[in-house]
Amino acid sequence: AQKVTQAQTEISVVEKEDVTLDCVYETRDTTYYLFWYKQPPSGELVFLIRRNSFDEQNEISGRYSWNFQKSTSSFNFTITASQVVDSAVYFCALGETSGSRLTFGEGTQLTVNP
Amino acid sequence: DTGVSQNPRHKITKRGQNVTFRCDPISEHNRLYWYRQTLGQGPEFLTYFQNEAQLEKSRLLSDRFSAERPKGSFSTLEIQRTEQGDSAMYLCASSLAGTPANTGELFFGEGSRLTVL
Repeated sequence: AQKVTQAQTEISVVEKEDVTLDCVYETRDTTYYLFWYKQPPSGELVFLIRRNSFDEQNEISGRYSWNFQKSTSSFNFTITASQVVDSAVYFCALGETSGSRLTFGEGTQLTVNP
Repeated sequence: DTGVSQNPRHKITKRGQNVTFRCDPISEHNRLYWYRQTLGQGPEFLTYFQNEAQLEKSRLLSDRFSAERPKGSFSTLEIQRTEQGDSAMYLCASSLAGTPANTGELFFGEGSRLTVL
């Protein structure tokens, strides 16, 4: 069975601080995908990134960066110089290579205070 | 195209009543998914369609739940004889399947919130 654990339920930071959201996953599949989605107060989940299990290269996109470590089954997400607009619930998810179902973690509520 | 559209956005019903939700995906997307999200939890997979074929159903989808996508475009999710435990946000998503480049990149609607009294 697939499982995603986001141990941090809530994180609160002050604007411009860096923040890391943790994600640990479990799967018996040898190939899989990992994702991060953002759910702002409006409720609509927004895709942020996908990572193939074969590709452990870290990725940076603007203020966002992702650290994938297969050895520890972790896929952490860092926001550098956080902004108020980053306030949202962030979900880590695990997916099969067929692209059918995604298994989501319970989410981390990030609040960035001015 | 403005994205995935769901309606109604909110539905309050009494226990035992039937409810139906509709989802209009992004027009060129061949896959459509239904997820359920309860307060403080992540979305849980219910079912998905590729074109008009329902390819997978979760064990969460009891006999009271039925989903259809008759012409491979919009989809409906019907819940019969609603129970209080059905209260949740029902999320629809669509995607363009077929290449690794877009695998798992789901486009979600804003959801339909169901409250069962």
